[in-house]
Amino acid sequence: GENVEQHPSTLSVQEGDSAVIKCTYSDSASNYFPWYKQELGKRPQLIIDIRSNVGEKKDQRIAVTLNKTAKHFSLHITETQPEDSAVYFCAASAPSGNTPLVFGKGTRLSVIA
Amino acid sequence: NAGVTQTPKFRVLKTGQSMTLLCAQDMNHEYMYWYRQDPGMGLRLIHYSVGEGTTAKGEVPDGYNVSRLKKQNFLLGLESAAPSQTSVYFCASRPTGVEEQYFGPGTRLTVT
Repeated sequence: GENVEQHPSTLSVQEGDSAVIKCTYSDSASNYFPWYKQELGKRPQLIIDIRSNVGEKKDQRIAVTLNKTAKHFSLHITETQPEDSAVYFCAASAPSGNTPLVFGKGTRLSVIA
Repeated sequence: NAGVTQTPKFRVLKTGQSMTLLCAQDMNHEYMYWYRQDPGMGLRLIHYSVGEGTTAKGEVPDGYNVSRLKKQNFLLGLESAAPSQTSVYFCASRPTGVEEQYFGPGTRLTVT
């Protein structure tokens, strides 16, 4: 089955700097790659996602890139702000609508003001 | 819409006790999921359902049972709780044709 590795497990950046979180996946059939943000004590929420027919997707200060050949995808956050501090999870799933997401273990991002 | 709700929010059990966690959604979603979240382990899928009356095992199903008798409810049961089941449990749902999962607020369970 699918296996998703996420790095780093913790990341500290200065406010205004960029943050990059990387994930690799094992199943070449996977075609959907979402990123979820979980603030302390809250539920995970989708912030951005990408499908395998797209190489990059942006939404204001966040972007996701996908390299299908290397089987890795990354989350980029520019101009980080204290409210970006949270745990971020990547995930992957295969084409079948019934195939569940497999999540990475998460990255705790701390933005230092 | 209330979205996805979970009952209870907190619970403390003694080893060997049983309990049922309730997940309810009012969005007419077909798919529902139960995850557990442990420090450093991410979100691990316990069981899931692709529609009313169906259930399937996820990554870590041992020690848990589920039922989806009504489309809006997904129940997670612990027949004989163990300390290893101390965790935060999240339920999620999504509609057919949409990949985004909507999570409930979580249930913090402690087994002593």
